[in-house]
Amino acid sequence: EPEVTQTPSHQVTQMGQEVILRCVPISNHLYFYWYRQILGQKVEFLVSFYNNEISEKSEIFDDQFSVERPDGSNFTLKIRSTKLEDSAMYFCASSDGKGPKNIQYFGAGTRLSVL
Amino acid sequence: QKEVEQNSGPLSVPEGAIASLNCTYSDRVSQSFFWYRQYSGKSPELIMSIYSNGDKEDGRFTAQLNKASQYVSLLIRDSQPSDSATYLCAVRKVVNYGGATNKLIFGTGTLLAVQP
Repeated sequence: EPEVTQTPSHQVTQMGQEVILRCVPISNHLYFYWYRQILGQKVEFLVSFYNNEISEKSEIFDDQFSVERPDGSNFTLKIRSTKLEDSAMYFCASSDGKGPKNIQYFGAGTRLSVL
Repeated sequence: QKEVEQNSGPLSVPEGAIASLNCTYSDRVSQSFFWYRQYSGKSPELIMSIYSNGDKEDGRFTAQLNKASQYVSLLIRDSQPSDSATYLCAVRKVVNYGGATNKLIFGTGTLLAVQP
């Protein structure tokens, strides 16, 4: 069964460092997303991406964040200068369409720990 | 008012019983509704989706949607210890310009504990 793959599973970084989280969406999907979940809190939308551009972003997704599809398979989330409050699980998701019935499938997540 | 509200639980049911999980949402233009299951430390896994008023059944799971009352529920029949997890309600809504957003808005989840 196709799945969304995320690497690494756990990333530890020092405050102020840049991190790149990587995702390989399901191969025939066209819409890609990043969500995050701070420990003990709800899953929160960060950004959606389609046709090589951001289609929607949340208030959380400020100038410190960026996304990129550097090649035909990878989708990345970059945090330029990490803060302690960026520590969370980051989930990548993908879907094959934009209609109301399209389903988003989630990867296993990357746990980001900012020290 | 939270956009998607769930009782955090824990909801404890004995093995074999019916577990009933509820979710309310605040925005009437919400159009798509999803139940995801999340085991501790894992990612959300889709259980059910529902788009129209009424019931939708899939195996031991039944999703119920009432748009007039703005609630959606999930029933799990013959609950098993392996069903013990946090159940996340997620909503997708129409945006102001008449289009549809792909953004999912999640509730905080209800922790279900099925006792053997």
